[in-house]
Amino acid sequence: SQQGEEDPQALSIQEGENATMNCSYKTSINNLQWYRQNSGRGLVHLILIRSNEREKHSGRLRVTLDTSKKSSSLLITASRAADTASYFCATDETGGFKTIFGAGTRLFVKA
Amino acid sequence: GAVVSQHPSWVICKSGTSVKIECRSLDFQATTMFWYRQFPKQSLMLMATSNEGSKATYEQGVEKDKFLINHASLTLSTLTVTSAHPEDSSFYICSARLPSGRARETQYFGPGTRLLVL
Repeated sequence: SQQGEEDPQALSIQEGENATMNCSYKTSINNLQWYRQNSGRGLVHLILIRSNEREKHSGRLRVTLDTSKKSSSLLITASRAADTASYFCATDETGGFKTIFGAGTRLFVKA
Repeated sequence: GAVVSQHPSWVICKSGTSVKIECRSLDFQATTMFWYRQFPKQSLMLMATSNEGSKATYEQGVEKDKFLINHASLTLSTLTVTSAHPEDSSFYICSARLPSGRARETQYFGPGTRLLVL
């Protein structure tokens, strides 16, 4: 089953602009993760945010988590053409250890 | 960091044949591994949870007799697609977690196996 919904489904921006992707989920979670996937390739783990955390940074990435709204956002600042990829959120449900993926956002950064 | 490998990285087969995909945790023991399937331009869909020494747990809608999972050791899980058909063509990805503690939060994904059934 798929838990998360992401928006937008696709995003096209110019290099240097910021990109914001949103993810919503349905159940209580232990943590939420963001992954990146280049076309036809494997997943790259970007960042994990726990249910008791509200914001986390890693380089040009900023992730927020609002458990009351069951939503998260991923912000990529000063985007580069190399950031072009699909981005997925994934959640670990409370009491379980399956990871369920959202639908993903396809980001295209134009040079 | 922990590494998970998959073999083969891609396979082309004729309709009706069976295909085995291996998932190995290279530098840690994984009591639990997960198998996902990803169709083009779609997200990863969890197929099953593979438990070492016991039967796999399949997600709703996944045929356990078609997708045979064996997790015979702490470092190896295999997925066999039996009597493969063109609609089984997909990208199959496995993952594994570290056994315990906070490290168990993180999943390590294999590079994926692309299956094309003609």
